Amino acid sequence: ETGVTQTPRHLVMGMTNKKSLKCEQHLGHNAMYWYKQSAKKPLELMFVYSLEERVENNSVPSRFSPECPNSSHLFLHLHTLQPEDSALYLCASSQGTAPNTGELFFGEGSRLTVL
Amino acid sequence: GQSLEQPSEVTAVEGAIVQINCTYQTSGFYGLSWYQQHDGGAPTFLSYNGLDGLEETGRFSSFLSRSDSYGYLLLQELQMKDSASYFCAVRDTGRRALTFGSGTRLQVQP
Repeated sequence: ETGVTQTPRHLVMGMTNKKSLKCEQHLGHNAMYWYKQSAKKPLELMFVYSLEERVENNSVPSRFSPECPNSSHLFLHLHTLQPEDSALYLCASSQGTAPNTGELFFGEGSRLTVL
Repeated sequence: GQSLEQPSEVTAVEGAIVQINCTYQTSGFYGLSWYQQHDGGAPTFLSYNGLDGLEETGRFSSFLSRSDSYGYLLLQELQMKDSASYFCAVRDTGRRALTFGSGTRLQVQP
């Protein structure tokens, strides 16, 4: 596999469920990101990891919990979500944070629906 | 903080030229990127301007004026497959990630 892979591609969950989103990058990058994409809104940065250390947490509610066990994998653990959390969650990677080339590599996203 | 402004929608016909503008406000600035996203797909990188001027990559060009806090993406010889959303994004000195605009939805008509 190449690039950035996200699973699952679609997820429907109730407000009391616990689920996780997974991201894997096969590019040898050392920085990974979670962005949230809602209709008609800019991509919202959620978390940034550099060398497996969280370096930015953009005021995200605690019901979202990231985990980066190694430089190739990134998880987003979800619990007691709200309907307004329904969105496309995009994972990205790069060599270095905010790289000099301005280039991030995105996965195709996980479409989350909270009932 | 950071903010970026770009038009929400643009419509053009096949073979035409379209320009998508982006203005930004940041506390510090390194450069401006452009991304393309087809419906249901991943955002993909198109170009980056760290210096003033024009960068050309095939049918796509991107321009930056740092003094005006302004840039644009120019798409030439439009094709139907260019119908997508286009996002500008800034790399600024205060953050460890890119900050994105709301996106411009381009519809190319026959």
